[in-house]
Amino acid sequence: DGGITQSPKYLFRKEGQNVTLSCEQNLNHDAMYWYRQDPGQGLRLIYYSQIVNDFQKGDIAEGYSVSREKKESFPLTVTSAQKNPTAFYLCASALNEKLFFGSGTQLSVL
Amino acid sequence: DQQVKQNSPSLSVQEGRISILNCDYTNSMFDYFLWYKKYPAEGPTFLISISSIKDKNEDGRFTVFLNKSAKHLSLHIVPSQPGDSAVYFCAASADSNSGYALNFGKGTSLLVTP
Repeated sequence: DGGITQSPKYLFRKEGQNVTLSCEQNLNHDAMYWYRQDPGQGLRLIYYSQIVNDFQKGDIAEGYSVSREKKESFPLTVTSAQKNPTAFYLCASALNEKLFFGSGTQLSVL
Repeated sequence: DQQVKQNSPSLSVQEGRISILNCDYTNSMFDYFLWYKKYPAEGPTFLISISSIKDKNEDGRFTVFLNKSAKHLSLHIVPSQPGDSAVYFCAASADSNSGYALNFGKGTSLLVTP
């Protein structure tokens, strides 16, 4: 069935390590997004991509990187430059103004 | 700089009564508004939306009201059910330059008690 798949569900990062969060969609949506949620906070935009091979920084892009080589995939790398990476990460794709979200990845620092 | 504000972190309502969740925004360029429902450790699910050309949109037990002059919208749930207990996020989008990237409020945690 159609949807957005994020993996893994839980991820642990060691100091100085880069980690990559996977996001795949089979909804044939052009636009994809990464958001971060911290406890008691709203969702903040990290990066978005409106089309393959193109992406833009959101409000909190520092310490993160993305790629969009295929329409279906929009992986997010949390680099060692991100000093406070512990959060719940949400990937979404869009049909016009409506965003559809994956089930999220909880990233924690060891 | 929070452009979408949900000033009530939590709300408790009895089953069968009306739940009213409020949202204020500061950006007059916002032209589309959405409400999402979220359970812990899950992604938000779309609930209902409204375009700035309307002042009301209804879908079953859920109604969203928009007051553009006051930059305020509200979500009404009637009647409230225990399964409605979740965090509700208000979101708004401005234009297509950001590919409809949404600005979210901090959420309101709704608890519906039997």
